[in-house]
Amino acid sequence: EAGVAQSPRYKIIEKRQSVAFWCNPISGHATLYWYQQILGQGPKLLIQFQNNGVVDDSQLPKDRFSAERLKGVDSTLKIQPAKLEDSAVYLCASRPQGGTYEQYFGPGTRLTVT
Amino acid sequence: GEDVEQSLFLSVREGDSSVINCTYTDSSSTYLYWYKQEPGAGLQLLTYIFSNMDMKQDQRLTVLLNKKDKHLSLRIADTQTGDSAIYFCAEIPQTGANNLFFGTGTRLTVIP
Repeated sequence: EAGVAQSPRYKIIEKRQSVAFWCNPISGHATLYWYQQILGQGPKLLIQFQNNGVVDDSQLPKDRFSAERLKGVDSTLKIQPAKLEDSAVYLCASRPQGGTYEQYFGPGTRLTVT
Repeated sequence: GEDVEQSLFLSVREGDSSVINCTYTDSSSTYLYWYKQEPGAGLQLLTYIFSNMDMKQDQRLTVLLNKKDKHLSLRIADTQTGDSAIYFCAEIPQTGANNLFFGTGTRLTVIP
């Protein structure tokens, strides 16, 4: 079974530029998450999707971050405009329906804002 | 759920046991998890424990849960150099949409 795929793996941009990340969850997983992991910290949830609907985006800085999952499969996370403090690893995770709620993580995209 | 606490660093010698500790926040959390993160990689689920259990053993891994003190630990027997990584505990508090709250992570260094 293929895991969660993310691209790009690395991205360097200047502040005030925009950037987009892509995630393809494990096939059949209805729930998809985006996390931000700042160096030296644990991941923090940005947004949760159930199919193509948003379940929780309370921690998403909506003035600059947006995310979508139009067909309930792939998802994109966008930052516009980026700030220095957005430098982090952006992790995508998915989980199947029910069970013990464990999430399966992709390798992440490391963003550096200069 | 935002204050799941872990010590930052742990060093052990190869072959010894490692014990990584975590204090979580919500006594009503139903599941508690341990994830492993190797350099440049995403998080890998190691094991989980249901809140009605005190202990769970899975090969070299033993999870102990003390609900009264909201304390979770992960013991790795016969620690190997390949176990060097950052270990995160995580809880799902009763409030919210079954989302994970992670600790700060413990960096385990195994000395050959």
